[in-house]
Amino acid sequence: DVKVTQSSRYLVKRTGEKVFLECVQDMDHENMFWYRQDPGLGLRLIYFSYDVKMKEKGDIPEGYSVSREKKERFSLILESASTNQTSMYLCASSSGHPNTEAFFGQGTRLTVV
Amino acid sequence: AQRVTQPEKLLSVFKGAPVELKCNYSYSGSPELFWYIQYSRQRLQLLLRHISRESIKGFTADLNKGETSFHLKKPFAQEEDSAMYYCALSGNDYKLSFGAGTTVTVRA
Repeated sequence: DVKVTQSSRYLVKRTGEKVFLECVQDMDHENMFWYRQDPGLGLRLIYFSYDVKMKEKGDIPEGYSVSREKKERFSLILESASTNQTSMYLCASSSGHPNTEAFFGQGTRLTVV
Repeated sequence: AQRVTQPEKLLSVFKGAPVELKCNYSYSGSPELFWYIQYSRQRLQLLLRHISRESIKGFTADLNKGETSFHLKKPFAQEEDSAMYYCALSGNDYKLSFGAGTTVTVRA
């Protein structure tokens, strides 16, 4: 059974803090993704990675960065959290072919106060 | 650039009625199209993909390249079909993009 695990289910952070969201997958997948999920806006891609140390900007990368030092781990970093980054964050992974299924984590609900 | 559009945010149908969720896309190459489903308080999971050309839980979707559409259909809705549905597109650069989602409510 594929598992994508996000380190926290709920997080509350203060404005200006540096925030780390961690995601680990156990299926040796090449591709990993970070999305934010907001009502009415669906899933918006923040960053993705198709290999270790490789990263590509998604549609809304501003205010975020990522790190992929190991194949199984993909971290999302909020350099200086702001209230408009309050959201549900979803991590996903998939194997190297575009037609393969993506597997999702349970999500991290981040509140920035 | 790739884009997925789901024009309906909410869809309400009666049990036993047909249901159709619309999805349109824009992509310059040859896309891979998917439908994902999210039940309340559960993870997003794959419902079906166009390459498989199969019916899952009674749902089917046909890729129409001329109309750049990938609409999801089910002839007889069930109460357990109540969920959020997302259309998704994957391109040659591995980027996986989703639409805004459609919330389906099936009423008894």
